[in-house]
Amino acid sequence: DARVTQTPRHKVTEMGQEVTMRCQPILGHNTVFWYRQTMMQGLELLAYFRNRAPLDDSGMPKDRFSAEMPDATLATLKIQPSEPRDSAVYFCASASGGAGANVLTFGAGSRLTVL
Amino acid sequence: SQKIEQNSEALNIQEGKTATLTCNYTNYSPAYLQWYRQDPGRGPVFLLLIRENEKEKRKERLKVTFDTTLKQSLFHITASQPADSATYLCALEGSGGGADGLTFGKGTHLIIQP
Repeated sequence: DARVTQTPRHKVTEMGQEVTMRCQPILGHNTVFWYRQTMMQGLELLAYFRNRAPLDDSGMPKDRFSAEMPDATLATLKIQPSEPRDSAVYFCASASGGAGANVLTFGAGSRLTVL
Repeated sequence: SQKIEQNSEALNIQEGKTATLTCNYTNYSPAYLQWYRQDPGRGPVFLLLIRENEKEKRKERLKVTFDTTLKQSLFHITASQPADSATYLCALEGSGGGADGLTFGKGTHLIIQP
């Protein structure tokens, strides 16, 4: 089965450190999403890309978060500097895009703990 | 602002019965509504999609209804099994030609008792 691959699966870091999470979308999927999940807020959309171009990143704190797609096989989410409130599970998802609905395939997530 | 409400309390159902989960929304006119299943430590998995002009969709033991007047979707699992225990998320999407991201509810935790 085709799958979305995320690394790292777990990350523990100190406040102020830079954190980079990586995602390999399903080959042929042209739409990539970044979500953050916490118990309090549930799944929050941070940013998403179509054909590597950012479509919306309004859900992302711009001062410390950045998302990019250096190429079609890699999406990155960077937090610099990290803060304890960034502790969450970060999910990447991809979809085949098009004019209709986006049906998402999620990765297993990156669990981030900022001390 | 857009709001999606799912029952935050766990839903306990006896094995073999029908489980019914509710998704209500406000300040939104979604073109599509989707249901996902999430198991602990894993990402959500797509189950069903229903369009705004569809009333009902079925897939094996699953059934989804979509009432755009009530702004509500119901998700049914018939002949429920302990393996159906998971968190179920509803997600809404606009009709922006795929330019809208999916907005998710917080999910309902379903427990099927043997």
